[in-house]
Formats: sequence, structure tokens, C-alpha cells
Amino acid sequence: DTEVTQTPKHLVMGMTNKKSLKCEQHMGHRAMYWYKQKAKKPPELMFVYSYEKLSINESVPSRFSPECPNSSLLNLHLHALQPEDSALYLCASSQDYAGAGYEQYFGPGTRLTVT
Amino acid sequence: ELKVEQNPLFLSMQEGKNYTIYCNYSTTSDRLYWYRQDPGKSLESLFVLLSNGAVKQEGRLMASLDTKARLSTLHITAAVHDLSATYFCAADFTGANSKLTFGKGITLSVRP
Repeated sequence: DTEVTQTPKHLVMGMTNKKSLKCEQHMGHRAMYWYKQKAKKPPELMFVYSYEKLSINESVPSRFSPECPNSSLLNLHLHALQPEDSALYLCASSQDYAGAGYEQYFGPGTRLTVT
Repeated sequence: ELKVEQNPLFLSMQEGKNYTIYCNYSTTSDRLYWYRQDPGKSLESLFVLLSNGAVKQEGRLMASLDTKARLSTLHITAAVHDLSATYFCAADFTGANSKLTFGKGITLSVRP
């Protein structure tokens, strides 16, 4: 199984809502990532988890809260988002992190719209 | 800091003709990746290039890597409409706090 899954595929939320994005992989990978991608731009790294611990936080606003309950799951909790947070959110995983150098496998993404 | 540049950023291609697009990176990199992205979709991995002189081919696409020049090329043979998409190259290296660094992407449009 070389697949990364993400749910939901689409999400519309108001600025006062609380929602979560979910990501799952069963490849035995120990590193997982969240990226944000705006239209016509490359993906931007948000967070890296390595062995279920947060390794990198790219100065992401606190209204985004990542969680890694176990080595297969990665969540992104959303609260009090702004319209400019509307984007495609991509999850990825790799065999290990240890300073990168391992190929990342991307999920299908969640299209988030904040109204 | 690793920087990745792609050019051109947009390319209109005629069906049946050959084209080459380029990806430059600024510092030593362990791996160079090419991804394809269709509108509203995720990234599809095309090629992973690991060493100097590496060449990989899949269908009408052929990617190569010159680590001395810090340059990767993606050659398109006899362009067809199905190749219309945005193509990202990305690079990373083994080291503390290394990240996968993307270029801005090249949008290819194939016209009849």
C-alpha cells in the first residue's frame, strides 16, 4: 500500500467554526508533513512530524494546530480561520525525516474554503 | 538556503513538437524531483533523480540531472494535449532542518 489518504476532500467552514483535517498512511513511514498550497503557487511546508514528535513548525499561526496521535495518523485542527486560509491542504509522508533526503508521498489533498 | 528556479513559468506547446523545460537549484542537493499537478488535484510524482548523469524516461517525458551545473531538464517528445498541466521540480538534501524546496512551477498548455 503506497497510498496517503486525506479526509474530507472538500471543506467549507465559517470563521468561527472548529474543524479538523485528517491524514492517514499505512506504509510504515515515520515522518509526516502538512503543506498549504494556494492557487498557481507551489506547496508551502507548514509542519513536519518525525516519530510522532513535531520537528518543524514553519511559523504557522496558532489557529492551525497539528496533532499526530500515532505513526499512521496526522490531524490538522482548524479554529477561527480567515478567508485567506482558503487553500488546498496536502499531507505527505516519508520513510524517515532525519533532515530529509527521503521521498515524500503526497495525499489527494483537502480543498478548504473559509467563508 | 536551497533555492529552486524553473523557467519558463508558462509554455504554450504545439501538438507533435518537442520541448525542454529547465530547473536550476542553488546549492548541493541529494535528490531532484519532478511532479505533475492537474488543476485542483494533488501532486503526482513523475521522477526522482539521485545522481549526476541520471536519466529517467516515462512515455513522452524524459528527465535528466547534471549536478555539476545544478540543472535538471525535462524533455517532452511530440507533445500531446494530455500533457497539459503544471510541472514542479523540487530538491532537498540530507542535513539538519532540510526541507523539500519547490520551484514556482511551469504551466504547460498543448494546443492543436
